[in-house]
Amino acid sequence: AQTVTQSQPEMSVQEAETVTLSCTYDTSESDYYLFWYKQPPSRQMILVIRQEAYKQQNATENRFSVNFQKAAKSFSLKISDSQLGDAAMYFCATIHSGGGADGLTFGKGTHLIIQP
Amino acid sequence: SQTIHQWPATLVQPVGSPLSLECTVEGTSNPNLYWYRQAAGRGLQLLFYSVGIGQISSEVPQNLSASRPQDRQFILSSKKLLLSDSGFYLCAWSVESSGPYNEQFFGPGTRLTVL
Repeated sequence: AQTVTQSQPEMSVQEAETVTLSCTYDTSESDYYLFWYKQPPSRQMILVIRQEAYKQQNATENRFSVNFQKAAKSFSLKISDSQLGDAAMYFCATIHSGGGADGLTFGKGTHLIIQP
Repeated sequence: SQTIHQWPATLVQPVGSPLSLECTVEGTSNPNLYWYRQAAGRGLQLLFYSVGIGQISSEVPQNLSASRPQDRQFILSSKKLLLSDSGFYLCAWSVESSGPYNEQFFGPGTRLTVL
């Protein structure tokens, strides 16, 4: 079984600044994937970034990047040059590799507030 | 392109009443389908998933059931709703594959309030 922990219920950042959201996970799987999803007020779940556990290089998507520390089972999300549209709930999630039909395991989420 | 629909968008039901939420996917064949629930202040919890018509796997024993009567239709049901069934229900789909992982695409969700 997998567990995902997000210890920051809420974070606030000034527009154009950088913010880091924390996530730790636990899994008995040797190969797995990690994700950050964004859920804006519309409640639509949007995939922000994905990391494959066997890849040491941290994933990046434009202003979004991750710091993946496999030994520490840590997977933080860094948002650079924060924009008002980044305001949302952010969920960290994982799924084990080889289980294409299995569901995702989510953390409880971090509410990100962008101060203008 | 593929799209996923859920209805209704919002539902208010009394305790003890039945429930039927519907999810349909367009533009793909034999998708994997999922039902998640998001309770207030919590992350998403996987309830059911399906790899084909009539094939349902339950992750959490509870008051709910799921069915897949057609390839691209996934239904979440209950015979008698409980207060604890309130929440935001999300349907998702992924491409049918035995590969390492397939991205899951989420629908717009249904907000259920049980009074």
